[in-house]
Amino acid sequence: DQQVKQNSPSLSVQEGRISILNCDYTNSMFDYFLWYKKYPAEGPTFLISISSIKDKNEDGRFTVFLNKSAKHLSLHIVPSQPGDSAVYFCAASRPTDSWGKLQFGAGTQVVVTP
Amino acid sequence: NAGVMQNPRHLVRRRGQEARLRCSPMKGHSHVYWYRQLPEEGLKFMVYLQKENIIDESGMPKERFSAEFPKEGPSILRIQQVVRGDSAAYFCASSPQGARVKWNEQFFGPGTRLTVL
Repeated sequence: DQQVKQNSPSLSVQEGRISILNCDYTNSMFDYFLWYKKYPAEGPTFLISISSIKDKNEDGRFTVFLNKSAKHLSLHIVPSQPGDSAVYFCAASRPTDSWGKLQFGAGTQVVVTP
Repeated sequence: NAGVMQNPRHLVRRRGQEARLRCSPMKGHSHVYWYRQLPEEGLKFMVYLQKENIIDESGMPKERFSAEFPKEGPSILRIQQVVRGDSAAYFCASSPQGARVKWNEQFFGPGTRLTVL
């Protein structure tokens, strides 16, 4: 039962442009959403989070938008840089879960071209 | 301060053998989580442990899989009688507490890639 979905397996974007990654979820009990970045042969690293009581959270070049009515969130990276080339995972957490019990999407491979 | 360490990084086993995966959490972290990532899929939660205790094993397959986090030493994920479907990347993560605060204080290890021949 896949409750967090990333329907775009890959995204190619030019350096300097905006990258938009999308994530949909089905469980209305989720109250925190996170984005992780993963390089090959490394573990995921935390990027940014958003609480369900907010609709936007910004951290430098990264902004996450949450649309609760649509059960949809997106990650914007502006401007995209070559070092942003990685797999990005969307994850979600419920109030009853410990930190580690996250539900992950399948990931989106981002390639930033010069 | 070393990060979360996992070894081996790559493990090859033949069907029917046992696989032991080790995870050393970050210094000061007493909470460990194991995840499995099958090809083309996201990470899936398996088990949450504190020292000498299994807190949540709701994601563990019912048979052949076990995990421990002894008082001394690393956490161990053990897979008995491995099958080809066990081939995956296994990640562990650690945190200083189990509560959902300060998401940036939790860290993943680099993973162990298990290949079953």
